[in-house]
Amino acid sequence: DTAVSQTPKYLVTQMGNDKSIKCEQNLGHDTMYWYKQDSKKFLKIMFSYNNKELIINETVPNRFSPKSPDKAHLNLHINSLELGDSAVYFCASSQGEVAVEQYFGPGTRLTVT
Amino acid sequence: GQNIDQPTEMTATEGAIVQINCTYQTSGFNGLFWYQQHAGEAPTFLSYNVLDGLEEKGRFSSFLSRSKGYSYLLLKELQMKDSASYLCAALDSNYQLIWGAGTKLIIKP
Repeated sequence: DTAVSQTPKYLVTQMGNDKSIKCEQNLGHDTMYWYKQDSKKFLKIMFSYNNKELIINETVPNRFSPKSPDKAHLNLHINSLELGDSAVYFCASSQGEVAVEQYFGPGTRLTVT
Repeated sequence: GQNIDQPTEMTATEGAIVQINCTYQTSGFNGLFWYQQHAGEAPTFLSYNVLDGLEEKGRFSSFLSRSKGYSYLLLKELQMKDSASYLCAALDSNYQLIWGAGTKLIIKP
């Protein structure tokens, strides 16, 4: 019974392609997040959604777009992939708008060649 | 700007005690988190401090000094499975989490 799940776990693709990463949580949480963790291990928040509304949008390129069909899902779509997009992307969720304890998905390792 | 500082790497011996320090500078403060992240895995929540003092939870304890912008995570009776990265994160006035780069802890037998 995975609390936060992501697919795929690994994604290898070429520059210029468009790809999506899916995230689902079965915890009944209100808020979901997308993080990027680069090779230096910094976790950088990209987006968060609360009740289907974007409440944080950090300075990420507009090639990245979050899509939330419902409270339990927050997918990440990336257009025109670049080499610098290679990283591990984590989805997370928490209860409430405030970033209290967050539950992370297993991560998606994206490699752009 | 906002910043979290913690050592890049620490080494300790199985059965011993280790203290991982974290200093933070944020615009406003609403608490400090510690997360554990094993290699290739997702971060998992360890502790949350918003008031000064020490919070103990089994072998792990977390301390906070708001006036000094300082926290530490104390791990006792170290086990090999404690080898992981430990991430410090501060919640700023907008309730956004500011993350440190993590401290890689290596446990030797």
